Amino acid sequence: AQKVTQAQTEISVVEKEDVTLDCVYETRDTTYYLFWYKQPPSGELVFLIRRNSFDEQNEISGRYSWNFQKSTSSFNFTITASQVVDSAVYFCALSEFRNTGFQKLVFGTGTRLLVSP
Amino acid sequence: ETGVTQTPRHLVMGMTNKKSLKCEQHLGHNAMYWYKQSAKKPLELMFVYSLEERVENNSVPSRFSPECPNSSHLFLHLHTLQPEDSALYLCASSRDSNYGYTFGSGTRLTVV
Repeated sequence: AQKVTQAQTEISVVEKEDVTLDCVYETRDTTYYLFWYKQPPSGELVFLIRRNSFDEQNEISGRYSWNFQKSTSSFNFTITASQVVDSAVYFCALSEFRNTGFQKLVFGTGTRLLVSP
Repeated sequence: ETGVTQTPRHLVMGMTNKKSLKCEQHLGHNAMYWYKQSAKKPLELMFVYSLEERVENNSVPSRFSPECPNSSHLFLHLHTLQPEDSALYLCASSRDSNYGYTFGSGTRLTVV
């Protein structure tokens, strides 16, 4: 069965600090997809990134970066120079490859990030 | 209008009431989902509709009844709920198998 573990329940940092959110996953599939979503207080989960299992290149998007390591089944997310607007709950998710027209994402329990001024 | 829209944003209902949650997407997606988000629990997949056909029902109690009249609309009909059903109910849609979801803002449901 697929499983996603986000061991950090809550992280508090001061603005401008760098912070890394951990994500460890379990799957028996060789082809799968990993995602990160951000959930601000408004409730909507906002898509941040999608990565397939064959692409282990790290990705950077502005202050955000992701480190995918298949050897340790981890897909960690780093925010550089954090800002108050980064305060939210962040979810890591996993889905197996399907060609059926829909997919099933398995989510971790989320990490609440609090960035104070 | 773009994205996934859920109404109402907040709902308080008694255990004997009947109410419905509505979800609408104008993204041309062909699959829609209901998730339940309770405090300190992972997001729970409740139902999946693909091309308006229900393809997944994750042992959800019959007091929750989904309906998908067309590819743009999804409903969750609620009746005789319990206080433990209080949660954030999230709707999502996707265009195919592997690109992830677009979520709505959710309906915060309180059962009293």
